[in-house]
Amino acid sequence: QKEVEQDPGPLSVPEGAIVSLNCTYSNSAFQYFMWYRQYSRKGPELLMYTYSSGNKEDGRFTAQVDKSSKYISLFIRDSQPSDSATYLCAMSTTGNTPLVFGKGTRLSVIA
Amino acid sequence: KAGVTQTPRYLIKTRGQQVTLSCSPISGHRSVSWYQQTPGQGLQFLFEYFSETQRNKGNFPGRFSGRQFSNSRSEMNVSTLELGDSALYLCASSLARHNTEAFFGQGTRLTVV
Repeated sequence: QKEVEQDPGPLSVPEGAIVSLNCTYSNSAFQYFMWYRQYSRKGPELLMYTYSSGNKEDGRFTAQVDKSSKYISLFIRDSQPSDSATYLCAMSTTGNTPLVFGKGTRLSVIA
Repeated sequence: KAGVTQTPRYLIKTRGQQVTLSCSPISGHRSVSWYQQTPGQGLQFLFEYFSETQRNKGNFPGRFSGRQFSNSRSEMNVSTLELGDSALYLCASSLARHNTEAFFGQGTRLTVV
């Protein structure tokens, strides 16, 4: 079992839909939870991070962490074609230990 | 402010050769981490350098090595290339070794034939 599991998709949604992206993990020591967006031929870009449990909101994006279930989610409201990208979850035990990534979910938002 | 710069962007090498990839971090950043990205394994951590010292190392064979210079620029080297080394190699820099402030470069696409 990989430490971090993420459904690769692809996921295709109409413009304006709410998108839900998820990861599960096995290492209960993870404390930092990140979401990255990666456009084709580009490096990953940090969207949001959460420390420990709880929710965090930033504009159209909401990140949730449920440590009891070892499950994290990223919600995108009012999705736009410009949100079409691969979304990667990543986790670490402390702020400066190596990140462990999920394989990424490819999202297409259709206009 | 310039971002993380990786050179070259694309590279084709033959099995058995060696290759050196370069990463120039954001000005002032002293930590550089390297990752390998493949369709099968996703992003996997290779190593991290801070102040010219390797601080963490991933689970890769000894053919993969790296170093960091006094100006924080970093290089990684892969010797005796194998077909399976074909991947996108990404580096990320941060000011003080914190993942929440790491910025990735666009990567070097290495193809081994």
